[in-house]
Amino acid sequence: GEDVEQSLFLSVREGDSSVINCTYTDSSSTYLYWYKQEPGAGLQLLTYIFSNMDMKQDQRLTVLLNKKDKHLSLRIADTQTGDSAIYFCAEVEGFKTIFGAGTRLFVKA
Amino acid sequence: EAGVTQFPSHSVIEKGQTVTLRCDPISGHDNLYWYRRVMGKEIKFLLHFVKESKQDESGMPNNRFLAERTGGTYSTLKVQPAELEDSGVYFCASSQAGWGGEQFFGPGTRLTVL
Repeated sequence: GEDVEQSLFLSVREGDSSVINCTYTDSSSTYLYWYKQEPGAGLQLLTYIFSNMDMKQDQRLTVLLNKKDKHLSLRIADTQTGDSAIYFCAEVEGFKTIFGAGTRLFVKA
Repeated sequence: EAGVTQFPSHSVIEKGQTVTLRCDPISGHDNLYWYRRVMGKEIKFLLHFVKESKQDESGMPNNRFLAERTGGTYSTLKVQPAELEDSGVYFCASSQAGWGGEQFFGPGTRLTVL
């Protein structure tokens, strides 16, 4: 079945690290994605990880993948107020992208 | 290169009326998708076009929704008659031919049914 779950809210102080967690069900997914949606804007592909990788780092972003537990996380180092947005975890099944409900990140100055 | 565009950005209609949403994919992208996010929940797949053909419409909620992609370029999604539960954000995405390519999303159309 298709199911991607993530917590709905996360609040951090500016300069701290943010960790957004996600669990998925389709073990055959080749790619797992993180999308960002800023207020009033569309979905922006933030980063992705191949299913044969454990970790991917891209500047302030670190993605960790635990295939055994079907757990994906996104860590944002030195979180800034501009990082305030909704973050969607997603997996691809065929041509469909299966999204979680999104985690709203609040960054307090 | 222009990204995926959607029109209108926001539509407010009354229950029972008809609304047509438009999506212009990235030029040359054969694959076009519609998704929607209702009431802050997860973004759900509606359907997938390959050129002008409907490849997968398993996510369409009911027969009040009609999607078309005549000529294989832009697509329209018509809701007739609209119901309160249709309120949400409708996203369009496109990708190049083949499997597994990145899907590029438009800004979405926010539909409010009163």
